[in-house]
Amino acid sequence: QQPVQSPQAVILREGEDAVINCSSSKALYSVHWYRQKHGEAPIFLMILLKGGEQKGHDKISASFNEKKQQSSLYLTASQLSYSGTYFCGTAIGGAQKLVFGQGTRLTINP
Amino acid sequence: GAVVSQHPSRVICKSGTSVKIECRSLDFQATTMFWYRQFPKKSLMLMATSNEGSKATYEQGVEKDKFLINHASLTLSTLTVTSAHPEDSSFYICSASRSTGTNSPLHFGNGTRLTVT
Repeated sequence: QQPVQSPQAVILREGEDAVINCSSSKALYSVHWYRQKHGEAPIFLMILLKGGEQKGHDKISASFNEKKQQSSLYLTASQLSYSGTYFCGTAIGGAQKLVFGQGTRLTINP
Repeated sequence: GAVVSQHPSRVICKSGTSVKIECRSLDFQATTMFWYRQFPKKSLMLMATSNEGSKATYEQGVEKDKFLINHASLTLSTLTVTSAHPEDSSFYICSASRSTGTNSPLHFGNGTRLTVT
């Protein structure tokens, strides 16, 4: 039931773009995206609810393709503060509980 | 500011003892809270759903007698690791949502790093 994220790790220079993908073998009711820095709690980024929905704030956006059961997170003109591990979380069977992907570790170098 | 408080942030205990971790929602009532476990550089693994006033719902493979969950009020859930062993050492994180349904974000506590010696 765990969604699959790709890539597992990304190393960028400041200002470069990145795409993180999340796919599931189960039907998705929603997709959540979180970022976690080492030793800290995950921080909520955004939720996507409908197939084809796109959302974004600042230079971080995401899309959700309900039919393909996948979501992508887009980080443009990356900043040093974007470093961390990104997790997608999916709600299985309409329940409130989230199952998280294995995470994508993003490293931004100056 | 934080909306979910977790305590303690770190705990070291001896093998065979029990440890209680508290999770509080600070400015909202949470009928449901979630407990996750995270190994170094790994994902958040859902352990159980804590339900206010009723028994917790455990995920497959999680021993309910080992990880006791109590949700006695709308703002407090506790996780007790009983008869802890070194393999129980991990990062435990609780979370709660302001409302039910899949369209509400989860707010996480800052986690508890448990080390069993």
